[in-house]
Amino acid sequence: TQLLEQSPQFLSIQEGENLTVYCNSSSVFSSLQWYRQEPGEGPVLLVTVVTGGEVKKLKRLTFQFGDARKDSSLHITAAQTGDTGLYLCAGATIIQGAQKLVFGQGTRLTINP
Amino acid sequence: DAGVIQSPRHEVTEMGQEVTLRCKPISGHDYLFWYRQTMMRGLELLIYFNNNVPIDDSGMPEDRFSAKMPNASFSTLKIQPSEPRDSAVYFCASSVIRVGYGYTFGSGTRLTVV
Repeated sequence: TQLLEQSPQFLSIQEGENLTVYCNSSSVFSSLQWYRQEPGEGPVLLVTVVTGGEVKKLKRLTFQFGDARKDSSLHITAAQTGDTGLYLCAGATIIQGAQKLVFGQGTRLTINP
Repeated sequence: DAGVIQSPRHEVTEMGQEVTLRCKPISGHDYLFWYRQTMMRGLELLIYFNNNVPIDDSGMPEDRFSAKMPNASFSTLKIQPSEPRDSAVYFCASSVIRVGYGYTFGSGTRLTVV
């Protein structure tokens, strides 16, 4: 069974601070995706990283895929209250032509004004 | 596109009753997934379909759970009989077969079994 471990599980910081969330596994994935989920809604895709070592930026968010394609990180610069939410990483494997996602437990991020 | 549509948004039922959750995927998406989310276990894959055919139902917790996809635009997840431990948020998601393509999730159905 493939497992993805996210850390920290909970993070509460002040607006303007920087933070990093980690997603680790012993398994190799074909790609890794990051989702953000707000209360009462389903997860929404933020980014997909495919190549080992790949770095993608989405405004103040920087995503990195590990060289061995087993881990990933999400770094937020100058956090804002609107960044509050549950951040989920998901590792993708291709089985019988289908892309199957395994989700981490999530990091619940609270940005305080 | 209206996205993935799930109904109902909330369901409260008594233990032993049958519950049916509904999902309309995005048109053109050939994969449909049912997930369950709880605080303790996070997001768990229950079953997924490709072109309306169930591919992997190994995540379905027990025989009380069943899922169908009679056509490309509709799927149901049924629990019969329901139990309090089935209380969770159930999500439907759809996608296409393409490396790196994400899933589009519905807003979920919050099920409470009392």
